[in-house]
Amino acid sequence: GIQVEQSPPDLILQEGANSTLRCNFSDSVNNLQWFHQNPWGQLINLFYIPSGTKQNGRLSATTVATERYSLLYISSSQTTDSGVYFCAVDNYGQNFVFGPGTRLSVLP
Amino acid sequence: DTEVTQTPKHLVMGMTNKKSLKCEQHMGHRAMYWYKQKAKKPPELMFVYSYEKLSINESVPSRFSPECPNSSLLNLHLHALQPEDSALYLCASSQRLAGTGIQYFGAGTRLSVL
Repeated sequence: GIQVEQSPPDLILQEGANSTLRCNFSDSVNNLQWFHQNPWGQLINLFYIPSGTKQNGRLSATTVATERYSLLYISSSQTTDSGVYFCAVDNYGQNFVFGPGTRLSVLP
Repeated sequence: DTEVTQTPKHLVMGMTNKKSLKCEQHMGHRAMYWYKQKAKKPPELMFVYSYEKLSINESVPSRFSPECPNSSLLNLHLHALQPEDSALYLCASSQRLAGTGIQYFGAGTRLSVL
């Protein structure tokens, strides 16, 4: 099945810093989503982005489908950005597979 | 409204108990999913329902029994669970089967098996 990798596994930032999270996948996909999981377990949709670039406030994402990776940019990070960021992909209805996640801690 | 509601939020059960988890959405979605998430791990797909029919069963033990009574409701019946089944159980829905739209997740049921 499709393999998903995320980097870095852990990231510690000072409030106000910028960061880039990466997701690599092993096969072509027709669905890619970025999620933020808060400390209570809720998975929050950030982007649905099988290709192209999107922006939402301080967050933006880019997926280069032909090169099988996606990037999530967080600018001017806040303590509320802390949590785990997951990339999840689906290759044409076979399965929705999550990457291992990036655990982000933003310090005040 | 993009809400998926799961009940209960927390559940503690013994290995001989029978309990059920409930998931509800009113977005008109026709695909619904159960995931299991262990601590510090990503969610793993358990079951997928498409148009109220079981579409995917990821080799889940029979002590987990899903049910989709209608297009808005998804249940997960639990019986004779083991302590290693303790986890966060997440429900999700999408407009159609995975691959064709955004999956929306509920807040989860945190299950402890004693």
